Amino acid sequence: EAAVTQSPRSKVAVTGGKVTLSCHQTNNHDYMYWYRQDTGHGLRLIHYSYVADSTEKGDIPDGYKASRPSQENFSLILELASLSQTAVYFCASRSGGLNTLYFGAGTRLSVL
Amino acid sequence: GDSVTQTEGLVTVTEGLPVKLNCTYQTTYLTIAFFWYVQYLNEAPQVLLRSSTDNKRTEHQGFHATLHKSSSSFHLQKSSAQLSDSALYYCALSGFHYVGDNSKLIWGLGTSLVVNP
Repeated sequence: EAAVTQSPRSKVAVTGGKVTLSCHQTNNHDYMYWYRQDTGHGLRLIHYSYVADSTEKGDIPDGYKASRPSQENFSLILELASLSQTAVYFCASRSGGLNTLYFGAGTRLSVL
Repeated sequence: GDSVTQTEGLVTVTEGLPVKLNCTYQTTYLTIAFFWYVQYLNEAPQVLLRSSTDNKRTEHQGFHATLHKSSSSFHLQKSSAQLSDSALYYCALSGFHYVGDNSKLIWGLGTSLVVNP
């Protein structure tokens, strides 16, 4: 079973503050993803990466930056956190092709 | 564009009765695979089923699904629902246009399954 570890598991942030969510995978997967989940919206793709040192914009990238400094690590950065970014964030990884996506446990972010 | 449609946002069923969650798709990808993911309350999504073979039944944990390219569907079924099946279910498509292309993932919006005693 693939291992994807997210930190922190929960966080309370202040509006306008900077938030960094971290993700680490130990399965040599090339593809990594950041999703946001809100009730009624399913999983929405924020940023993704096919290879280290390169990131791509997903469907809802506004207000978020991503960083992939190595194959194992993928971070999501909120430079100026806003109330609307309160949500659960999932990191996920998979090898290429049509292979299964494996999720981390999620980070519950509350912006006050 | 490519899309996955789950028509029901909520399905309610009585324990012991059959259940079917619908998933249809539109895609231009030439090579595709389909997934059903299940997400229990306060947990992460996890894969339940995967299939890339047309007209082949795939089974896991009592659930089954068959990819039908002729009708663009990958419905999830179970003959006897259990209370523990209550969860959020996502259908997802993975595909690419040509070998060497980076594959994409397309998600449905999810169907919440509630199994009542």
